[in-house]
Amino acid sequence: SQQGEEDPQALSIQEGENATMNCSYKTSINNLQWYRQNSGRGLVHLILIRSNEREKHSGRLRVTLDTSKKSSSLLITASRAADTASYFCATAPGGGNNRLAFGKGNQVVVIP
Amino acid sequence: DAGITQSPRYKITETGRQVTLMCHQTWSHSYMFWYRQDLGHGLRLIYYSAAADITDKGEVSDGYVVSRSKTENFPLTLESATRSQTSVYFCASRPGGESPLHFGNGTRLTVT
Repeated sequence: SQQGEEDPQALSIQEGENATMNCSYKTSINNLQWYRQNSGRGLVHLILIRSNEREKHSGRLRVTLDTSKKSSSLLITASRAADTASYFCATAPGGGNNRLAFGKGNQVVVIP
Repeated sequence: DAGITQSPRYKITETGRQVTLMCHQTWSHSYMFWYRQDLGHGLRLIYYSAAADITDKGEVSDGYVVSRSKTENFPLTLESATRSQTSVYFCASRPGGESPLHFGNGTRLTVT
């Protein structure tokens, strides 16, 4: 069953602004991952945060995880036109990483 | 170049025909996966394989067959295609542990 659920579904921002996306899930997890998908391409892994971590950074990306609320957020700072893509969260349930459950995706458009 | 390749990129077939989608990876990753991506559903797992000759069903495996005789190849067969199988199919692989998925660029399949 699908666990990850991103919110909001679509976001349009100006270049240089920050973009924030949220993801909620329903069951306990080992880790939560964020992926990016450019139009017509496969998904690309961005960042993984473990269930015992609260925050993680990678370049302009900041991910938080609140296991008590079963939610995560992805922040992209100082957005660029190249950040235009769909962003997916994926949760690894307690059984392992072979049954990642993906959310429906969050489309971000960065206007130059 | 090392990577994961899917073929064909686009395929149109008729209802009732058998069709095979190919996936090849050059990393020698142990795990390989097939997902389908549909509007409103995100990505859903069809099948995955932990090693050659070891496969397991995902959440939407009905109507699909997989095989893995060699580590690098993981073909997906639709035995008798139906219109509901019109979708974009993604193959992915990963080495193991907590490693993330590496995706191919997908096969867009249309069943008429």
